[in-house]
Amino acid sequence: QITLKESGPTVVKPTQTLTLTCTFSGFSLSTPGVGVGWIRQPPGKAPEWLAVIYWNDDNRYSPSLRSRLSITKDTSKNQVVLTMTNMDSVDTATYYCAHRPASFSVYYFDLWGQGTLVTVSS
Amino acid sequence: DIQMTQSPSTLSASVGDRITITCRASQSIVSWLAWYQQKPGKAPELLITKASSLESGVPSRFSGSGSGTEFTLTINNLQPDDFATYYCQQYNAYPLTFGGGTKVEIK
Repeated sequence: QITLKESGPTVVKPTQTLTLTCTFSGFSLSTPGVGVGWIRQPPGKAPEWLAVIYWNDDNRYSPSLRSRLSITKDTSKNQVVLTMTNMDSVDTATYYCAHRPASFSVYYFDLWGQGTLVTVSS
Repeated sequence: DIQMTQSPSTLSASVGDRITITCRASQSIVSWLAWYQQKPGKAPELLITKASSLESGVPSRFSGSGSGTEFTLTINNLQPDDFATYYCQQYNAYPLTFGGGTKVEIK
């Protein structure tokens, strides 16, 4: 059974750096094809894809946020970490991590964590 | 970026109805489209991949169709559990992009 859970601060101040950790179980990020992505969703709005990291350390970022994002993995701990610099009020959202199936031709997310609401406020 | 446009943004329906949600892509995405269902306070759940392939455990009253730039999600015999918000997502190219959502509410 695959599960994912996000953890990190619930409130950050403007200009600070946000660090979120996704801790997962039921799969390994060393299995060929597997990936873990981050998606955020501002209150009342649609989801927005942020980044994804794959079993082979390949990663992709949203071009509009590329300069502010970093995604890394720790396979031994079953964790993926997302950092986002220079936080602003527009970054207030629920942040989700999600599992990308072990396939070489699909880029959707079949299982998501419960999400963590991050509020940017001074 | 590939823009995904859903319509309508809100749909009022009754239990037992048949409803259709449309998702249009700004360029061809072949059949690389997924549909998600999201209930308030919960994470999105994957319903359909590759435009028309139902995920395991998803009721057969859900179906998807389309290719290229126009896609539809149809729900037959709408059930109380189906009142939720639905999103499409293209995975033909990075950046992965979602539609703006369609909220299905009780008439």
